[in-house]
Amino acid sequence: DQQVKQNSPSLSVQEGRISILNCDYTNSMFDYFLWYKKYPAEGPTFLISISSIKDKNEDGRFTVFLNKSAKHLSLHIVPSQPGDSAVYFCAARANFGNEKLTFGTGTRLTIIP
Amino acid sequence: DGGITQSPKYLFRKEGQNVTLSCEQNLNHDAMYWYRQDPGQGLRLIYYSQIVNDFQKGDIAEGYSVSREKKESFPLTVTSAQKNPTAFYLCASSILSGDTQYFGPGTRLTVL
Repeated sequence: DQQVKQNSPSLSVQEGRISILNCDYTNSMFDYFLWYKKYPAEGPTFLISISSIKDKNEDGRFTVFLNKSAKHLSLHIVPSQPGDSAVYFCAARANFGNEKLTFGTGTRLTIIP
Repeated sequence: DGGITQSPKYLFRKEGQNVTLSCEQNLNHDAMYWYRQDPGQGLRLIYYSQIVNDFQKGDIAEGYSVSREKKESFPLTVTSAQKNPTAFYLCASSILSGDTQYFGPGTRLTVL
């Protein structure tokens, strides 16, 4: 039962353009969402998060949008840079104090110079 | 220089042998976690520990064991009972259970 879904295994974007990575979830108890970036053979790096009380959180080139009614979140990267090429994982947590993060399967983003 | 270290980076073992993966953190985090990543899959939780001398099973604990004798250390043992141990193993920690988790660099285990 995949509670967090990233339906696009891969995405290619021209350098300088906007990258939009999508994530859907099914568990209505999720109240905190995170995006991680991962290079091959390395651990994931935390990028940005959003609480369910917000619908947008911005940090530099990265913005996460949350649509609770659609159970959908997205990560926008503007402008896209070659160093952004990596696998991006969406993760969700249900209620503070619940230790478990549920991860999506990841989207491989390739930035084309 | 605070962070999470995992050693070794690459590990090879013969089938039937137990192997222990190291995870150390100097971030003063209370909670620590072990995940496994397989090709084309997300991260799956093996075990987690919210506090010293306490740990709980995650989604795929069978064939694994852990200990948490010190706040800084959370070693994972992959036993011979684990049917498919070859994978990339990631350790993470967070200030408190449920907070944002920060990951180590990972250990790639190959069982021959």
